[in-house]
Amino acid sequence: KQEVTQIPAALSVPEGENLVLNCSFTDSAIYNLQWFRQDPGKGLTSLLLIQSSQREQTSGRLNASLDKSSGRSTLYIAASQPGDSATYLCAVVVGRGSTLGRLYFGRGTQLTVWP
Amino acid sequence: NAGVTQTPKFQVLKTGQSMTLQCAQDMNHNSMYWYRQDPGMGLRLIYYSASEGTTDKGEVPNGYNVSRLNKREFSLRLESAAPSQTSVYFCASRGLLWGGEQETQYFGPGTRLLVL
Repeated sequence: KQEVTQIPAALSVPEGENLVLNCSFTDSAIYNLQWFRQDPGKGLTSLLLIQSSQREQTSGRLNASLDKSSGRSTLYIAASQPGDSATYLCAVVVGRGSTLGRLYFGRGTQLTVWP
Repeated sequence: NAGVTQTPKFQVLKTGQSMTLQCAQDMNHNSMYWYRQDPGMGLRLIYYSASEGTTDKGEVPNGYNVSRLNKREFSLRLESAAPSQTSVYFCASRGLLWGGEQETQYFGPGTRLLVL
């Protein structure tokens, strides 16, 4: 069974710091890996998606890397802002096809960026 | 487009009561999912539906039933609610990322359920 672990569970930093959130997974046979953002009382929003054949993806101040062989991914947030405060969830997709594409989630990293 | 919508947003039940959580998507997606999220836990898959007319169990299906009414709607039913089912329930549908070729899941805002 695929297990996804995120470290740290919580992080509190001053505005402007560069951050690294970590994600590890036990089964390297993944189709892709995604990072989601969840705001309090809201649903999840997809931030970045990395295919299993890719090494990294970038969107604005966010950069996600994937090392499939070691079962690790990192989400790098540059120049953090208070608006980045949220819970960040890592999820891996196992397989593809109509009955697959299941997401296995980590427990998340709760990020607080204070002014 | 409204995306994925869920009703109700919040519900309080007594042990043994039944209720149905509603989910609808307007993105013409085939696959839909129900998750629960408990404090300090990641989302866990309850049931999913790969297409209209099909449903399959996920990781934690006990105590739940689902119906894929049509392509748009996927409901989750609690026949006899228990305090252990207190959770936040998310519905999702799977489709292409905007302007891309990869698929992701689009999530609704969630239903907060408290079972006393």
